[in-house]
Amino acid sequence: AQSVAQPEDQVNVAEGNPLTVKCTYSVSGNPYLFWYVQYPNRGLQFLLKYITGDNLVKGSYGFEAEFNKSQTSFHLKKPSALVSDSALYFCAVRDTGTGGFKTIFGAGTRLFVKA
Amino acid sequence: DVKVTQSSRYLVKRTGEKVFLECVQDMDHENMFWYRQDPGLGLRLIYFSYDVKMKEKGDIPEGYSVSREKKERFSLILESASTNQTSMYLCASSLTGTSGYNEQFFGPGTRLTVL
Repeated sequence: AQSVAQPEDQVNVAEGNPLTVKCTYSVSGNPYLFWYVQYPNRGLQFLLKYITGDNLVKGSYGFEAEFNKSQTSFHLKKPSALVSDSALYFCAVRDTGTGGFKTIFGAGTRLFVKA
Repeated sequence: DVKVTQSSRYLVKRTGEKVFLECVQDMDHENMFWYRQDPGLGLRLIYFSYDVKMKEKGDIPEGYSVSREKKERFSLILESASTNQTSMYLCASSLTGTSGYNEQFFGPGTRLTVL
């Protein structure tokens, strides 16, 4: 069965420090991976995706993610965190078993950036 | 920019009532989705539709039905609301496109409380 795991419920980081939000996945076939962010009282927004190509994917708001096939991971990173990055982050993977229409979301990781 | 709108931000209903949640997207997307979001559980897919009048069950369809009579509109129906359906409901849409699968665009969500 295909799945995605976010092992940390919460990540705390000081403003200006680098941040990492972890994600691991399990899929059959080639993975299509996504990161979404949910700011307070708002819907989810797409951040970035990996389909194929370079293992380092750059996205919105200075975020990037590194695809690691051997470790089946797709960690979200940012070199210097901002207080405004505080939000709920979801990793997601395309469910290849349903014609590609479905997406499986992780449980989410809440990021707190302290000034 | 893609815009996905949902008919209500907050809704309070009584047990046994029939509830309609409406979602409209303005970018001619083929695919539309309904999720519910609960703390610690991430997003769970209720139903999705890949074309007008087409619908597929997601992971938790029990107690829900959907309707897609026009491409831009996807409705979620709670036939007889129950307290365990109190949740945040998110609508999303996506384009099939040449890659066969693209990121989803989300509405702001409807927080439904069933008393």
